[in-house]
Amino acid sequence: SSELTQDPAVSVALGQTVRITCQGDSLRGYYATWYQQEPGQAPVVIIYGKNNRPSGIPARFSGSYSGNTASLTITGAQADDEADYYCHSRDSRGNPEFGGGTKLTVL
Amino acid sequence: QITLEESGPTLVKPTQTLTLTCTFSGFSLRASGVGVAWIRQPPGKALEWLALIYGDDDKRYSPSLASRLTIAKDTSNSQVVLRMTNMDPVDTATYYCAHNYGSKIVGYFDLWGRGTLVAVSS
Repeated sequence: SSELTQDPAVSVALGQTVRITCQGDSLRGYYATWYQQEPGQAPVVIIYGKNNRPSGIPARFSGSYSGNTASLTITGAQADDEADYYCHSRDSRGNPEFGGGTKLTVL
Repeated sequence: QITLEESGPTLVKPTQTLTLTCTFSGFSLRASGVGVAWIRQPPGKALEWLALIYGDDDKRYSPSLASRLTIAKDTSNSQVVLRMTNMDPVDTATYYCAHNYGSKIVGYFDLWGRGTLVAVSS
């Protein structure tokens, strides 16, 4: 079982703002990486480090932290943001770990 | 340009050993912080990290699966091989390899292969 906890499902109205959270003790010391995964596709990095977006990722995606929680915010959700989102960090030994994933539905 | 591609059997029988190969290009698996990881995803379920090997040959394994896993690199052929013993139907999943970017502490998986679906069935 994952040490990073995510809500299994979240929904947002088209054009509205949604926050997807990832909770875990490791996040007090390590940044989270956020991946977007569309059906049948490999995950793609959308946020890494403190709040960095790879080239080509829209600015509506942002990351933030508070205590043991990392958050991915989508400001102005679009229909093609409907996907699964996973957080990823490192445990106390520096080994990778993933959250259980959040299925985002855009209404 | 970094690319990774997984290869291996699509079907294995219970109790058999699975051997998967990740063939990569665009980077050298020699530096300490550079690594290649294996991650799997059962149908309809979450991502699960399995193993990671760094350029300095440091190997890490998921604690829950460590007794069944072996990861190794073949630097001259730009390949990373994962072996998983005693396969069971619950191991049916898409297996991905991914490039670890950054360091051992703050690295993340910036590029992934397309994945290979492995079914375990008699």
